[in-house]
Amino acid sequence: EIVLTQSPGTLSLSPGERATLSCRASQSVSKNYLAWYQQKPGQAPRLLMFGISTRASGIPDRFSGSGSGTDFTLTISRLEPEDFAVYYCQQYGKLPWTFGQGTKVEIK
Amino acid sequence: EVQLLESGGGLAQPGGSLRLSCVASGFTFSTYAMSWVRQAPGKGLEWVSAINESGGKTYYADFVKGRFAISRDNSKNTLYLQMSSLGAEDTAVYYCAKGYSSSYYGIFDYWGQGSLVTVSS
Repeated sequence: EIVLTQSPGTLSLSPGERATLSCRASQSVSKNYLAWYQQKPGQAPRLLMFGISTRASGIPDRFSGSGSGTDFTLTISRLEPEDFAVYYCQQYGKLPWTFGQGTKVEIK
Repeated sequence: EVQLLESGGGLAQPGGSLRLSCVASGFTFSTYAMSWVRQAPGKGLEWVSAINESGGKTYYADFVKGRFAISRDNSKNTLYLQMSSLGAEDTAVYYCAKGYSSSYYGIFDYWGQGSLVTVSS
């Protein structure tokens, strides 16, 4: 199975700052089938991005995705108060579909 | 508006069984693959199982193979997860999730609110 490792585990930033989240795969992600989700406490995850860089419906353009092969990045250009949450990357190119362990973006 | 409403969670004995249901609305259920994804308390997300639009193809994570069975009733817009031989490691919130499209089963664009399954004696 493809293991996804996210770093850092926790990112402490202030509103308005830029957030850069990393996701590294144990093997190349097929067809760049890589997605990102946001989860807030007590809520279900929300799809942010798929195909590395395609934003899901309703996702603001301060969220962007990049990368290829085994290294991927989610960037939040300017953090808004509602962006403080846990973020998961996920590969859906090869079964079993797998998630990273998550990066928590917290208010500094 | 897409809605996914899970039910059937609760307390189960080790070695016991439980069946989760997920009623879908707001989209044509029979034309989308569906999945179950779980999250143990304080932990990350784990994909559990998926089923194609017709129900003719099912997929499982190794850790549930032979113990869990996914199914669907398109006439009732309902997804199921039959869980058996439950162990403490199966304790989690179980989410029902909709596949993004027929070409991309593994992108989950809508999620239910989750159903908590606790396995304990």
